[in-house]
Amino acid sequence: EAGVAQSPRYKIIEKRQSVAFWCNPISGHATLYWYQQILGQGPKLLIQFQNNGVVDDSQLPKDRFSAERLKGVDSTLKIQPAKLEDSAVYLCASSFPSGNTIYFGEGSWLTVV
Amino acid sequence: AQRVTQPEKLLSVFKGAPVELKCNYSYSGSPELFWYVQYSRQRLQLLLRHISRESIKGFTADLNKGETSFHLKKPFAQEEDSAMYYCALRGSGNTPLVFGKGTRLSVIA
Repeated sequence: EAGVAQSPRYKIIEKRQSVAFWCNPISGHATLYWYQQILGQGPKLLIQFQNNGVVDDSQLPKDRFSAERLKGVDSTLKIQPAKLEDSAVYLCASSFPSGNTIYFGEGSWLTVV
Repeated sequence: AQRVTQPEKLLSVFKGAPVELKCNYSYSGSPELFWYVQYSRQRLQLLLRHISRESIKGFTADLNKGETSFHLKKPFAQEEDSAMYYCALRGSGNTPLVFGKGTRLSVIA
């Protein structure tokens, strides 16, 4: 089966610019996650969707980060304006609602200079 | 609050030696514990979970509620085990995974 797809794989932007990442989950997976992984740390949840509704966005810096999943399938994560500390890998993951297994994409590597 | 602690950033062992990657957690209820692995240039993937009580690629992990630990073990390390290993916890309900900082395992030939 096809895995979680993410794009772009790599992005370099200047601080104060904006960037958007796209994710296509595994077909049939209602739950979608965005994680941020800073170098040397484990993944940290930014936002969790169930279909097109937000389940948990308590750790999303809402002054600059936004995410949507309008039709309950693909999702977009946006950062505007970017800061140097946003340099990280942004991981998208998906699962069935009650699934124990969460499947990860390859990640989108962001460097803010 | 949910927290996962992996005390070792790097663990180096010789091929054929036993491996133990430590994981301790903090959670007031009954958690689900997982080990995820990331091989070089590959995506993060599930290695095993405590509910299944399975052995994957020779690795096992036992949930010790008294010590709040979920250490990953393998009796004989192989070079292909070299990777980043992350311990993760999920609380009750459809809550997201909370990850530790990870341990890099390096198996030396």
